[in-house]
Amino acid sequence: EAGVAQSPRYKIIEKRQSVAFWCNPISGHATLYWYQQILGQGPKLLIQFQNNGVVDDSQLPKDRFSAERLKGVDSTLKIQPAKLEDSAVYLCASSLGWSGTSGETQYFGPGTRLLVL
Amino acid sequence: KQEVTQIPAALSVPEGENLVLNCSFTDSAIYNLQWFRQDPGKGLTSLLLIQSSQREQTSGRLNASLDKSSGRSTLYIAASQPGDSATYLCAVRLTGGADGLTFGKGTHLIIQP
Repeated sequence: EAGVAQSPRYKIIEKRQSVAFWCNPISGHATLYWYQQILGQGPKLLIQFQNNGVVDDSQLPKDRFSAERLKGVDSTLKIQPAKLEDSAVYLCASSLGWSGTSGETQYFGPGTRLLVL
Repeated sequence: KQEVTQIPAALSVPEGENLVLNCSFTDSAIYNLQWFRQDPGKGLTSLLLIQSSQREQTSGRLNASLDKSSGRSTLYIAASQPGDSATYLCAVRLTGGADGLTFGKGTHLIIQP
């Protein structure tokens, strides 16, 4: 079974530029998550999708971050404009079940490492 | 707001030793607790998931316990090996609503050959 795919793996941009990350979840997984992991910290949830609808985006900096999940499969996360503090690893995860179900393991992709100069 | 703390932040032990990693959380209203492993430059791998009604889970040399009322969990690694070297993350999922995870900062573990 293929895992969660993410691209690109690395990205270097200058502040105020824009950047986009792509995620392809495990086939059949209804729920998709984007996490931000700053160096030395645990991952922090940015947004959760249930199929193509947003379940939780309370920690997403909406003035500069946006995300979508077209057709309930692939997802893109965009930052515009980027700030120095956005330097982090952006992790995508997916799980099989519907939001609110317990016992669902989240499967993580390898992440996209972003450096903002 | 749920906060997850992991102690110690880093640990280095000789190969073969048994060791314990600690995790504490402030809000006991959790659905489940998971332990993950993270290798450098890679994503997270789920090791063990404990439901709120369970006390422990075991997988091979790993055993995780959960005391929900006191807000604590431990990950026990038996007979450690150099391949166990990684960062171990504890995460909790709250009851109700969305099911995103709240993570601790992790314990960076080095097993010396």
